[in-house]
Formats: sequence, C-alpha cells, structure tokens
Amino acid sequence: KAGVTQTPRYLIKTRGQQVTLSCSPISGHRSVSWYQQTPGQGLQFLFEYFSETQRNKGNFPGRFSGRQFSNSRSEMNVSTLELGDSALYLCASSFNRDREQYFGPGTRLTVT
Amino acid sequence: DQQVKQNSPSLSVQEGRISILNCDYTNSMFDYFLWYKKYPAEGPTFLISISSIKDKNEDGRFTVFLNKSAKHLSLHIVPSQPGDSAVYFCAASTNTGNQFYFGTGTSLTVIP
Repeated sequence: KAGVTQTPRYLIKTRGQQVTLSCSPISGHRSVSWYQQTPGQGLQFLFEYFSETQRNKGNFPGRFSGRQFSNSRSEMNVSTLELGDSALYLCASSFNRDREQYFGPGTRLTVT
Repeated sequence: DQQVKQNSPSLSVQEGRISILNCDYTNSMFDYFLWYKKYPAEGPTFLISISSIKDKNEDGRFTVFLNKSAKHLSLHIVPSQPGDSAVYFCAASTNTGNQFYFGTGTSLTVIP
C-alpha cells in the first residue's frame, strides 16, 4: 500500500497570507489527523476527521481549519498567517479508531 | 498543559549498549501508549505500543515498560545500533478520545 502523502513538502509564505495543505491517507483509512510540530513543543494536535466529520479539535485558534472529502483526502487551511505558524505540519491516518497512526512526511511551512 | 512529558531532550549511548528512553504522563485516564521514531525530513514511524492492562510489551530489540502507579513508561532498546539514532516520541490516548497526546521527543544518538 502507498503511504500517507502530503503536498506540498515545502512552502514559504508571508505574514497575512493564507495557505492550504493537502493530505492523502493510506487507501482504506478513514481517519485523518493533523499535527503541528515546532522545536521544543513536540507534536501538537490540531484536529481529526473521520468520514468527512471533524471529531475532535485541539487548542488552536480559528485561523486553523480543515476538511475531509468523500475519498478521505483532507486539507488544512491556515488564514492570516503569523510568524509563529512556521512549523512542520504532519498528517496521520488510521483505519478507524485504530490505535496506530501512520504519518506522512509533513509539510514544512515557513512564514516570513 | 503538557500531559505527556519527555524530560530528556537528548541521549547518547554506545553501540551495543542499552538505550532507555523515559516518558511521564499526568492524565490517569490514558489507557494506551505508543512510541514513535522520527528521522529528519520524515514523518514519525510507529515503533511499539502498550495497553494499560499490561506492564510490558516486547518486539525484538524494543521493549516498553509501563508503571501505571508512577504514570511512567520507558522504552528499552537492546542492543542499540547506529541506525537507531533518531528522535523518539511517546504518545498516549484514552479509550474515548480520538486524540493522541505526544511528548516533546528525545533525540537518541548511538555512537559506533
């Protein structure tokens, strides 16, 4: 099976812009979670989607949003970018409420 | 509030010796714990997990120990190999949530 793919891998944006990141889960996986990784903060949970519904949301401002399509692909959007949004954004998929998540390589976002 | 903590940001071990990575948690509702390994420019890869009904789980060179009363888990790697050099994250979840809580990671260096 192909793994989790994320596009783009690298992105440079300026403050105030918005960005959309994409994630394609492993075939058959219906749950997609998004995480933000910054130095010293580990992986911070953003949100989780299952069958096009957001099931859980982390403690991030409303500028961070997402959605999931009927084919389980997911997008994450960040509006009005701030310098502090510079991070590695990771997407992970699992079949259902499986305990193991499979991660993509991440999208490295740099905000200048 | 960091519910999962890895207090050692880095660890160096000689090849062939034992590596012990530690993780503490605060939420007594956590019932499932995982360890992930992450190489640079890649997403985390699942390594090993343990349910709260067990206190030990082994998989080859990797063993995870869980001490529920101390809210502590550890990952033992024996013998350590240079290819084990990576950042290791511990994660935890409850049986009702769809969210995994990650520690900040420990960077392991195995010296040949």
